[in-house]
Amino acid sequence: QKEVEQNSGPLSVPEGAIASLNCTYSDRVSQSFFWYRQYSGKSPELIMSIYSNGDKEDGRFTAQLNKASQYVSLLIRDSQPSDSATYLCAPRGQAGTALIFGKGTTLSVSS
Amino acid sequence: KAGVTQTPRYLIKTRGQQVTLSCSPISGHRSVSWYQQTPGQGLQFLFEYFSETQRNKGNFPGRFSGRQFSNSRSEMNVSTLELGDSALYLCASRVETGGSYEQYFGPGTRLTVT
Repeated sequence: QKEVEQNSGPLSVPEGAIASLNCTYSDRVSQSFFWYRQYSGKSPELIMSIYSNGDKEDGRFTAQLNKASQYVSLLIRDSQPSDSATYLCAPRGQAGTALIFGKGTTLSVSS
Repeated sequence: KAGVTQTPRYLIKTRGQQVTLSCSPISGHRSVSWYQQTPGQGLQFLFEYFSETQRNKGNFPGRFSGRQFSNSRSEMNVSTLELGDSALYLCASRVETGGSYEQYFGPGTRLTVT
């Protein structure tokens, strides 16, 4: 049974701070990792993908991957109230397999 | 390019009835996955279709079924509805090119079973 673990939160940060969201996964063959953002009442939206160990930056977002530790994280710099949402982590295993999601971490950014 | 579309957006059914949900993927995407999302269980994988064939299946009872047509449009069916089937049903289409993988969700169908 492949498992994806995320702290459900809520994670509360003040506006302008760095929000750090973490995810661990059990499937050692996972090669690709995805972060989705889901606003209340909306469907998940793809915001980041990472395929190699290390950091990947995209605007205010940085994804960090450590395959040896089976750990992936998402940092949001200069957090804004509009970042308040649930963030879902999804590792992908072998080619042809489906994305399996964690239950998500709810982020609340206060102004 | 148009996104993933799902119909209907909202549905109310009675326990014991059956329901069919429809999904049209992004143009050019041949893979369609279905997920069930509930507050308690999160986003759970139902099944995936690729080129009209079911390629992956989650851990759901046989009451949940799906199919994909030659134009990549997909339907999922739930028979003998139970109260616990009330959920947001999400369809996602994806494309895999040169090692990259992108999956996009539709707006979902909110199913309420009374």
